[in-house]
Amino acid sequence: EAGVAQSPRYKIIEKRQSVAFWCNPISGHATLYWYQQILGQGPKLLIQFQNNGVVDDSQLPKDRFSAERLKGVDSTLKIQPAKLEDSAVYLCASSLAPGLGSYNEQFFGPGTRLTVL
Amino acid sequence: AQKITQTQPGMFVQEKEAVTLDCTYDTSDQSYGLFWYKQPSSGEMIFLIYQGSYDEQNATEGRYSLNFQKARKSANLVISASQLGDSAMYFCAMRDNTGGFKTIFGAGTRLFVKA
Repeated sequence: EAGVAQSPRYKIIEKRQSVAFWCNPISGHATLYWYQQILGQGPKLLIQFQNNGVVDDSQLPKDRFSAERLKGVDSTLKIQPAKLEDSAVYLCASSLAPGLGSYNEQFFGPGTRLTVL
Repeated sequence: AQKITQTQPGMFVQEKEAVTLDCTYDTSDQSYGLFWYKQPSSGEMIFLIYQGSYDEQNATEGRYSLNFQKARKSANLVISASQLGDSAMYFCAMRDNTGGFKTIFGAGTRLFVKA
């Protein structure tokens, strides 16, 4: 079974530029998550999709971040314009469903390391 | 409000010994789940073990066990017979019914296994 795919793995941009990240979840997983992990911290949920609908985006800085999951499969996360404090690893994860139980564990992709100069 | 606390920024353990990584949590929900993940230096997050709030027995998965003390709201991870490959960051996470089963993570504990 293929895991969660993310691209690119690394990205370096200047502040005020835009950047986009792509995620392809595990086949059949209805729930998709985007996390931001700043160096030395735990992952912070940015947005959670159930199929192609948004379940939670309370911590997404909507003035600069946007995300979509068209057709309920793969997803893109965009930052425009980027700030220095956006430097982080962006993790995508997927699960069968959003509920409790170990069968709803999240499977993570390898992440995209973003550096904003 | 949901909260996860990991008070140990770093821990050292001798190879082949056991180590306990601490995690306390706070939630007003009666139904919730607790997860532990391992993050090696390569960056991927690896699921280790899960404990549901209504599970009567402590979860175990191979060398990993979860010491769940519900009244104290603690969910400590115990790694037995530590191996050099266990050196990594370890994150405790909780999911409850808040906001569509949102998962929150602690700050993590970095484990160093000494030969």
